[in-house]
Amino acid sequence: KAGVTQTPRYLIKTRGQQVTLSCSPISGHRSVSWYQQTPGQGLQFLFEYFSETQRNKGNFPGRFSGRQFSNSRSEMNVSTLELGDSALYLCASSSTADTQYFGPGTRLTVL
Amino acid sequence: GENVEQHPSTLSVQEGDSAVIKCTYSDSASNYFPWYKQELGKGPQLIIDIRSNVGEKKDQRIAVTLNKTAKHFSLHITETQPEDSAVYFCAPTNDYKLSFGAGTTVTVRA
Repeated sequence: KAGVTQTPRYLIKTRGQQVTLSCSPISGHRSVSWYQQTPGQGLQFLFEYFSETQRNKGNFPGRFSGRQFSNSRSEMNVSTLELGDSALYLCASSSTADTQYFGPGTRLTVL
Repeated sequence: GENVEQHPSTLSVQEGDSAVIKCTYSDSASNYFPWYKQELGKGPQLIIDIRSNVGEKKDQRIAVTLNKTAKHFSLHITETQPEDSAVYFCAPTNDYKLSFGAGTTVTVRA
């Protein structure tokens, strides 16, 4: 089976812009979670979607949003980018309640 | 929220020796306990996991032990090899949400 794929792999934006990241889960997986990884804060949970519904949400401002499509693919959007949003954004998919498999991530740099 | 502490933050071992990383968590509702390995430029890779009804699980050179009463679980790597060099994360899980430890950088010296 193909693993979790994320596009794009690298992205450079400027402050104030918005960005959309995409995640395709492992075939058959209906749950998709998003995480932010930074050297200072480590890995932090953003949100989790299951069957197009947000089931869990972490402690991030409303500038961070996501959605899931009927084919389980997911997108996350960050509006009004700030320098502190520079991070590796990771997507993970799951077929069960807990075991999550991660993609390679999207490296976002905000200038 | 879940408070997760992972120790040590760095670990240097001689090839062939064992490595042990401990993870302590606060949420008694956590019921799934995975360990992830992350290599440079890659996403975290699940290497072993354990559920709350099991005390120990082994997969070749890797083992995980769980003490739910004390709220900690540990990763054990035996006969370490250079390819074991990476950052390891524990991620106690409750309700589909993983709470990651800060990570342990393991370096295996040849």
